Amino acid sequence: QKEVEQDPGPLSVPEGAIVSLNCTYSNSAFQYFMWYRQYSRKGPELLMYTYSSGNKEDGRFTAQVDKSSKYISLFIRDSQPSDSATYLCAVYNFNKFYFGSGTKLNVKP
Amino acid sequence: DAGVIQSPRHEVTEMGQEVTLRCKPISGHDYLFWYRQTMMRGLELLIYFNNNVPIDDSGMPEDRFSAKMPNASFSTLKIQPSEPRDSAVYFCASSPGTGSYEQYFGPGTRLTVT
Repeated sequence: QKEVEQDPGPLSVPEGAIVSLNCTYSNSAFQYFMWYRQYSRKGPELLMYTYSSGNKEDGRFTAQVDKSSKYISLFIRDSQPSDSATYLCAVYNFNKFYFGSGTKLNVKP
Repeated sequence: DAGVIQSPRHEVTEMGQEVTLRCKPISGHDYLFWYRQTMMRGLELLIYFNNNVPIDDSGMPEDRFSAKMPNASFSTLKIQPSEPRDSAVYFCASSPGTGSYEQYFGPGTRLTVT
């Protein structure tokens, strides 16, 4: 079983829609959770991180962790065409990072 | 800072040839990671270094792969001999220090082995 599982999509939404991206993870000991954004032919860039359970908000982005169900979510409000990218969830444990396979998002103007 | 620098950006080689990928991490970062990304397998950790010392190479697929970090500002990933299934994008990333969840990726090297 992989440490992190993610639906690869693709996900296509109209501009202004609310986007929900999700991952599940296998090890209940994981404490640090991250979302990376990767534009085409670029390296991933850290978008948000959360520690343990709860929500974290940054502008139009909200990261949520539900440790009881081992579920990680990223919500994007008022989605923009510039949000079109692949989003990867990740967990951090003892200096190693485990990534989901990524969900490709397309926001149509 | 210029960020993580990788070279070359693209590499096309024939099966059996030796390939060397290069990485310069962000100055002051203690950790360096090598990843491989494919459509089928996503982003996979190959090896990581702490203060130039290899810590975990369990992700290196075969003995054909080797990585070195001779100093704090330079690392190489070598494939010898290369095979078509090695075709992928190889990323280098660096991280500030122990317990840091922040990781900064380079632009990647797109390797094609024919």
